[in-house]
Amino acid sequence: DAGVIQSPRHEVTEMGQEVTLRCKPISGHDYLFWYRQTMMRGLELLIYFNNNVPIDDSGMPEDRFSAKMPNASFSTLKIQPSEPRDSAVYFCASSLRGLWAGEAFFGQGTRLTVV
Amino acid sequence: KNEVEQSPQNLTAQEGEFITINCSYSVGISALHWLQQHPGGGIVSLFMLSSGKKKHGRLIATINIQEKHSSLHITASHPRDSAVYICAAFGRAGTASKLTFGTGTRLQVTL
Repeated sequence: DAGVIQSPRHEVTEMGQEVTLRCKPISGHDYLFWYRQTMMRGLELLIYFNNNVPIDDSGMPEDRFSAKMPNASFSTLKIQPSEPRDSAVYFCASSLRGLWAGEAFFGQGTRLTVV
Repeated sequence: KNEVEQSPQNLTAQEGEFITINCSYSVGISALHWLQQHPGGGIVSLFMLSSGKKKHGRLIATINIQEKHSSLHITASHPRDSAVYICAAFGRAGTASKLTFGTGTRLQVTL
């Protein structure tokens, strides 16, 4: 398996534009996580899914952020409208079991810059 | 005060030295994760602990639930161990879950 695949690797967009980040988890993993990393706040868990169902979205910063998982092999994180303070590296990770039971495998991240 | 504290924040060691990175947490947890973030930004999950000790190669992780403390040890350190090491505490209260990250320890191992 190629691991967790995220696209794009880099995204530069103008304030107010819609941004969509994509993630393909490792086949067979039932859990998918979206994280954000900034210099100021470090790593933060935004949302996670189990069997394509959002379980905990308490980390999503505001309504401008939304995440979907239409099937077991694909998830998106959308920001609409984007703001400069959304600039960060967004990581997707997947695991066989939840965070309380096993390790997660991370994608390479998407570096988002909103100007 | 952050619920998860790491120490030291920065650490420089010479190749071959034994390294210890500490993580203290103030919340009740179900599991604690140690992550390694390479200079290029990629993140690797090293360990998930809920009790005791785990070992993988030159890496050893321990956790003391009563003292709310975990340590990550690196034996015979090598320049390729240079990275940021992050601990993350996972807690559950009823149906709510929370993952809290430490701010990371930046390790540099020199020749």
